[in-house]
Amino acid sequence: GNSVTQMEGPVTLSEEAFLTINCTYTATGYPSLFWYVQYPGEGLQLLLKATKADDKGSNKGFEATYRKETTSFHLEKGSVQVSDSAVYFCALSGGATNKLIFGTGTLLAVQP
Amino acid sequence: DAGVIQSPRHEVTEMGQEVTLRCKPISGHDYLFWYRQTMMRGLELLIYFNNNVPIDDSGMPEDRFSAKMPNASFSTLKIQPSEPRDSAVYFCASSLARSEAFFGQGTRLTVV
Repeated sequence: GNSVTQMEGPVTLSEEAFLTINCTYTATGYPSLFWYVQYPGEGLQLLLKATKADDKGSNKGFEATYRKETTSFHLEKGSVQVSDSAVYFCALSGGATNKLIFGTGTLLAVQP
Repeated sequence: DAGVIQSPRHEVTEMGQEVTLRCKPISGHDYLFWYRQTMMRGLELLIYFNNNVPIDDSGMPEDRFSAKMPNASFSTLKIQPSEPRDSAVYFCASSLARSEAFFGQGTRLTVV
């Protein structure tokens, strides 16, 4: 079945550092891919998405490119801020069932 | 639209009691998902519906859990009887096919 694997956390960075959170997936067909963010005490919010191969999703300085050849959707940001501290989830949806499946989440802590 | 609305936001109950969580999806969305989030197990998909019909309930932990969607604007997740290990944050989300899911704020359930 479909699955998502993302890097273990926590990831601790200094402000203005470069961020990469790795995400790979296993899926039949052509799923849509998503990154969600969860701030403390809140629900999940969509950060960005890509619906087909080579699409790049971007939002708030974050980017991720749908790479079908490597089945990856890595999240990147050039310069993180303290306010980016949160848990980030990679997810996929699609195939015959449209089941929305999440990775385990990666905690990002940005220090001033 | 007000987004996905869940109630209650917090629930504290005694072991053995029945608990009912409620969800109002975004109008027009035809998929509804119930998730459970814990520190130990992360974000787990319990069940999801398409056009009010349950599609996959393989994530429901045991027979004590049941979910219904009597119409397009309302769903419930019931636990009977509740146990301390059911303590978690329960999220409801809704979406269109192959589109991003919108999450509610969650219900924090504590079973004592």
